[in-house]
Amino acid sequence: ETGVTQTPRHLVMGMTNKKSLKCEQHLGHNAMYWYKQSAKKPLELMFVYSLEERVENNSVPSRFSPECPNSSHLFLHLHTLQPEDSALYLCASSQGGVRDPGELFFGEGSRLTVL
Amino acid sequence: TQLLEQSPQFLSIQEGENLTVYCNSSSVFSSLQWYRQEPGEGPVLLVTVVTGGEVKKLKRLTFQFGDARKDSSLHITAAQPGDTGLYLCAGADTDKLIFGTGTRLQVFP
Repeated sequence: ETGVTQTPRHLVMGMTNKKSLKCEQHLGHNAMYWYKQSAKKPLELMFVYSLEERVENNSVPSRFSPECPNSSHLFLHLHTLQPEDSALYLCASSQGGVRDPGELFFGEGSRLTVL
Repeated sequence: TQLLEQSPQFLSIQEGENLTVYCNSSSVFSSLQWYRQEPGEGPVLLVTVVTGGEVKKLKRLTFQFGDARKDSSLHITAAQPGDTGLYLCAGADTDKLIFGTGTRLQVFP
């Protein structure tokens, strides 16, 4: 079983839909992350959850809502998205916490297309 | 806002050639990581450099961290088609990783 698993791998949704991305890590890590990868832009950190705290990028619109029910699972709830939200959404985990993450282990990503 | 600029943005070469990819910033980082992302996959860590001036070798890949810990380079010797992918540098700030703009490498047989 791969270390970090993301589902679905591909998602097409309309602007009025509500959907969720799921991430599961099997590495026993302490922190989980959501990154957005758009063409011609650096990887953008959206949210971080760790045992100690949740950190979010204040520039992330409220139409993205994270949920972390336990240390192994992370969700990204999507509602009323815009076409510019189309991107590859990458989940990652790390042994280190928010302040000193160390190596990030990434999932294969969820390719989102908003029509 | 901290920014890690990578150059070149795109690189297309023949198998057997050598190449160097650069990662530059005006900020100092406590450490710097290099990742490779293959099509349809997530990034995978290649190396972490910590000390200014540090050089690390991973088979045909040589990584160097600048003396001032603001920049880094990745040199590939005798590139192979399996080296194809997106190369990302990431600098460790006080509370997060800052990713670079990326270099997309294509190695043709």
